[in-house]
Amino acid sequence: EIVMTQSPATLSVSPGESATLSCRASQSVNNNLAWYQQKPGQAPRLLISGATTRATGIPARFSGGGSGTEFTLTISSLQSDDFAVYYCQHYSNWPPWTFGQGTKVEIK
Amino acid sequence: QVRLVESGGGLVQPGGSLRLSCVGSGFTFGDYYMSWIRQAPGKGPEWVSYIDRRRNYTNYADSVKGRFTISRDNAKNSVFLQLNSLRGDDTAIYYCARDRRFDSGAYFDYWGQGILVTVSS
Repeated sequence: EIVMTQSPATLSVSPGESATLSCRASQSVNNNLAWYQQKPGQAPRLLISGATTRATGIPARFSGGGSGTEFTLTISSLQSDDFAVYYCQHYSNWPPWTFGQGTKVEIK
Repeated sequence: QVRLVESGGGLVQPGGSLRLSCVGSGFTFGDYYMSWIRQAPGKGPEWVSYIDRRRNYTNYADSVKGRFTISRDNAKNSVFLQLNSLRGDDTAIYYCARDRRFDSGAYFDYWGQGILVTVSS
């Protein structure tokens, strides 16, 4: 099973600033990496697939990068609606497709 | 728009059973693989099971293999998860989700609102 490790656990950011979240895979997943946003009491929402491709309706301030084992999600000019928990998920090869433990982006 | 609505959760004793249902709308249900994903309190999501378009193939996480069974009825735009021999660590919010397949992998582009399953005596 591929283990996904996210850092940091919590990121304190002021509105208008940018935030960079990291996700590391225990072995290469090529670019088979998705990012999700989850707000309290809601289901996760797909942001990024293929490590870099934004899902339908996702603003351009969300950008994904990386390949292999190291990935990033950058949120530029954070808005109040962006404070949430973010998860990465690999979908390389057969299941199980595993998620990271999450990074909480909170208001500084 | 795509919508997924789960039902059937609740409180059950250890060793008990539940059947979760999920109805999809806003898309051609039979064209998509479907998955169940769960999330324990304060934890990241955990993929549980998927089923292919025509019910020919299913797959399960090791943690639920032999205890959970996924099925679907395309005529009713529905996917189901039968949960047997439930344990305390099965306590979670259970989501159904639409799979987007890439080679042998899948990510999840639409999720239901989730249904809570609590296993406790």
